Amino acid sequence: GAGVSQSPSNKVTEKGKDVELRCDPISGHTALYWYRQRLGQGLEFLIYFQGNSAPDKSGLPSDRFSAERTGESVSTLTIQRTQQEDSAVYLCASSLRVFSSYNSPLHFGNGTRLTVT
Amino acid sequence: SQQGEEDPQALSIQEGENATMNCSYKTSINNLQWYRQNSGRGLVHLILIRSNEREKHSGRLRVTLDTSKKSSSLLITASRAADTASYFCATDDYKLSFGAGTTVTVRA
Repeated sequence: GAGVSQSPSNKVTEKGKDVELRCDPISGHTALYWYRQRLGQGLEFLIYFQGNSAPDKSGLPSDRFSAERTGESVSTLTIQRTQQEDSAVYLCASSLRVFSSYNSPLHFGNGTRLTVT
Repeated sequence: SQQGEEDPQALSIQEGENATMNCSYKTSINNLQWYRQNSGRGLVHLILIRSNEREKHSGRLRVTLDTSKKSSSLLITASRAADTASYFCATDDYKLSFGAGTTVTVRA
């Protein structure tokens, strides 16, 4: 079946502009996650959704970052007034359910590479 | 803060050799997962080991877990050029914390 789809795959924007990144998870996956990966580094957790709710937004780097999910499906990550330090790959992942003692693995999209000039 | 930390940061081996990388973590876990990331792609789940398991195999992969030392190792046997990738461990606090990864290069 179809995997996690992210769009756009690449985005170049000017400093100060707003950007929207989209994630289409695997159908039926209730949990959805956003991570940020700077060049050559590990994954930085941003936010996760259980259904359409985001129980923990503490990973968002600043109030310029927001995310929403509708219909327990598509999610958008919005970055307002982009800064050069926002340049990174933004990865979305989904799983059948949120973490439990018997984790369902995460399925990742290929990410959106954001470059802020 | 990162929960899992991989070691070494980078590893270069000849095709056919084995590759071993380690992961250390800080707090108690229910399970630990290993993922692979090829250049420019998302992460792919490789294997999950539960806290009551000590060793697990999947094809050419062997994972061990020592909860007393809070560490895990991933062994790739008989490496191939296609194994060139970054490998990450992840522990199961609610946000699945990833380490910085081990970059493995397999030379032909």
